[in-house]
Amino acid sequence: GENVEQHPSTLSVQEGDSAVIKCTYSDSASNYFPWYKQELGKGPQLIIDIRSNVGEKKDQRIAVTLNKTAKHFSLHITETQPEDSAVYFCAAGVPQGGSEKLVFGKGTKLTVNP
Amino acid sequence: EPEVTQTPSHQVTQMGQEVILRCVPISNHLYFYWYRQILGQKVEFLVSFYNNEISEKSEIFDDQFSVERPDGSNFTLKIRSTKLEDSAMYFCASRGGGETQYFGPGTRLLVL
Repeated sequence: GENVEQHPSTLSVQEGDSAVIKCTYSDSASNYFPWYKQELGKGPQLIIDIRSNVGEKKDQRIAVTLNKTAKHFSLHITETQPEDSAVYFCAAGVPQGGSEKLVFGKGTKLTVNP
Repeated sequence: EPEVTQTPSHQVTQMGQEVILRCVPISNHLYFYWYRQILGQKVEFLVSFYNNEISEKSEIFDDQFSVERPDGSNFTLKIRSTKLEDSAMYFCASRGGGETQYFGPGTRLLVL
């Protein structure tokens, strides 16, 4: 089945710097790649997603890139702010007769220091 | 903005007891999911549900687990005889016609 690897497990940056989180997946059938932000005690919140027919997508300070050939995708956060501090999860959407399931990476704890 | 809601937020139970976790998905969504997250670990898929039946279930989702959509709005996860290792955060998610799955705030289950 699908396996998603995520690195790094922790990331500490200074406010204003950029942060990059990388994920790889194993199943070439995966066609949807969302990124979720999870704050303490809350459920995962979608921050950006990308489909397999797109190489890059940007939304203000957040961008995601996808390399289907290499089976890896990355999250880029520019001009980081303390409120960006959270755990970020990448996921791969595995089609299953229309009812797609998500396979998550292990998460990256991002700390933005003021 | 519509959101997925879950009740209760916390549940403590004794090993061997039955628990029912409840979810109200976003109203026009058609696909429903349960995931769990053991403390400090990644979110794991349990089961997907569409058109009143299970679409797929993981190895975790054994005979002790069941799901139901009893009344067209609620979506429940039942664990018949809880084990210590069932202690986790359980998330419900729902999806409409697109790919995005919207997650609820979770139920923290503690089995003693």
